[in-house]
Parts: sequence; C-alpha cells; structure tokens
Amino acid sequence: AQKVTQAQTEISVVEKEDVTLDCVYETRDTTYYLFWYKQPPSGELVFLIRRNSFDEQNEISGRYSWNFQKSTSSFNFTITASQVVDSAVYFCLFMDMGRRALTFGSGTRLQVQP
Amino acid sequence: NAGVTQTPKFRILKIGQSMTLQCTQDMNHNYMYWYRQDPGMGLKLIYYSVGAGITDKGEVPNGYNVSRSTTEDFPLRLELAAPSQTSVYFCASSHGRTNTEAFFGQGTRLTVV
Repeated sequence: AQKVTQAQTEISVVEKEDVTLDCVYETRDTTYYLFWYKQPPSGELVFLIRRNSFDEQNEISGRYSWNFQKSTSSFNFTITASQVVDSAVYFCLFMDMGRRALTFGSGTRLQVQP
Repeated sequence: NAGVTQTPKFRILKIGQSMTLQCTQDMNHNYMYWYRQDPGMGLKLIYYSVGAGITDKGEVPNGYNVSRSTTEDFPLRLELAAPSQTSVYFCASSHGRTNTEAFFGQGTRLTVV
C-alpha cells in the first residue's frame, strides 16, 4: 500500500519569506503520479501540479516550484516570497496507476502573517 | 461545464437515519471517487468507480454504499447514520487515462447527532 507523509503539521511564516513544504512517499510501484493540491479556508480543493514518476524535471510556475527526487521518494513544494493569500492547507497526493485513486498526505497548514 | 457537483452542501442527520449524497460530473470522466475528510486530517478514500457499473471499496467503506448506473452520477448512501460519520465528504472525478488530474466537488458537510 502507498503512504504519503507530510511531517510538517503547521508552518507559520511572515509575508515575503520563502517556505518549503516537504512530502515523502512510500510505494513499491514503479510508475505513479504525484500531486499537490491547495485547500484554502473556503474548503475547496485546488489542483496545483501533477508529476509522473518518469519525469524528474523540476518545475517552476510563478512563485511556486517543485522538486521531485525519485531516489529519496520526495516531492517538495517551495513558495517564494510568500503572500497572505497563500495561507491554506497543502496536500501532497499519490496516485497509483491501477485504481487511479489518490492517497492523501495529512496536509501542512501554512499561515502567512502580514 | 459545471465540473463536479455535490448536493447537499450541508446536512444534519439524526443517529440511525439514512441519506444519499449526490455527485454528478459533466466531463465524461470514467473514474469517480468518494472521500471523507475529518477535522485536521487528510482525505480518506471511501469508494471508487472506474466506469459505469463498476465500483470498489476504498480505505474506509464501512457504513457506506455506492452505485454507478451512469457515467455522470456516483451517489453515496449512508444507511444507518452514526456520529463517527460526521465529516466533510468530497466527490471527485478523473479522466484517468489521458489526464489524471482529479476534479473535486465543493464538499458536503455532514453532522450526525
């Protein structure tokens, strides 16, 4: 069975600080997908990024960047120059290729103070 | 496109009552899922379906039932509500093959008293 660990339960930063959210996963599968979703205080789940296990290229999208390292089973997420609007719970997810079902980490609550 | 639509948004049930949480998607997605989110926790998979007529249990299926008679609809049934089923329920869908991104509904907040 797959497991996703987000060891940081809550992080608090001051606006404009950079922050990295950690994600470590366990699987015996050789092919899979990894995701990050954001859950703002309003409660909906917002897709941020998908990465498949074949593609270890890091990605940058504006202030967001992701570092996928298959050798350490990690898929970390960095927000540069954080803003108050970034305050949310962030989930790292694993998708197996069979059921296509998502396994969630427990989430990291990010508080960005003005 | 409306995406994934869940109804109702809120519901209070008494212990022992039954109800159906509705979920419909208009994206012609094959894969559909039901998750529950307990306070301060990640989401746990209740049931999933890979296509019409096919359903299977997830991580926490006890106390729930599902059906998938059409591609669009994936209702979740609670037969005998218990306080332990107080949670926020999310329905999601995914194309599964060409695009694996999961689209989530807005959630149903259920309280069992």
